[in-house]
Amino acid sequence: AQTVTQSQPEMSVQEAETVTLSCTYDTSESDYYLFWYKQPPSRQMILVIRQEAYKQQNATENRFSVNFQKAAKSFSLKISDSQLGDAAMYFCAYRDYGGATNKLIFGTGTLLAVQP
Amino acid sequence: EADIYQTPRYLVIGTGKKITLECSQTMGHDKMYWYQQDPGMELHLIHYSYGVNSTEKGDLSSESTVSRIRTEHFPLTLESARPSHTSQYLCASSEPLRQGADTFGSGTRLTVV
Repeated sequence: AQTVTQSQPEMSVQEAETVTLSCTYDTSESDYYLFWYKQPPSRQMILVIRQEAYKQQNATENRFSVNFQKAAKSFSLKISDSQLGDAAMYFCAYRDYGGATNKLIFGTGTLLAVQP
Repeated sequence: EADIYQTPRYLVIGTGKKITLECSQTMGHDKMYWYQQDPGMELHLIHYSYGVNSTEKGDLSSESTVSRIRTEHFPLTLESARPSHTSQYLCASSEPLRQGADTFGSGTRLTVV
């Protein structure tokens, strides 16, 4: 079964600095998709960035970028120039289309604090 | 702006009451999901639907039930609420494309007293 592991329950970063959140996953599929979602306190979960496994180029969305290492099954999120609004719980998620459900599989989350 | 709506946002209810949590989306997505999430914790899939009249139980056993009579509407019902049902319930729907992401509602925070 596919699993997603986030080994950092909490992280902290100074405003304007860079932080990297770790995510590893386990799968026997070759075609899958990876996502990072952000959940601010008491607010809606939103998509931060997505990566297609067959694309070697790392995805980038403004200050957010990923380091996708397919062989190592690693998918880390880098936040540059951190802002106070980046403080949130961040979830790594995986989806493939090899089974019947195609559901998202989430990690346990990393709570990111941004210090002014 | 969110295209998936959940009501109520907060609900405090007594033990034994029947409740329905509403979820509606305006995007025409076939796939919809209900997750249960305790504060600061991971999401657990409790129900999903791939279209009208299609519902399945998720990974986490739940005493709740769901229905999907219309594409845009995916309500969750608890026939008899208990304190153990206290949690946050998130509704989501998926884009039809393979690389599509899920859109989440704002959630319903349920407290059973």
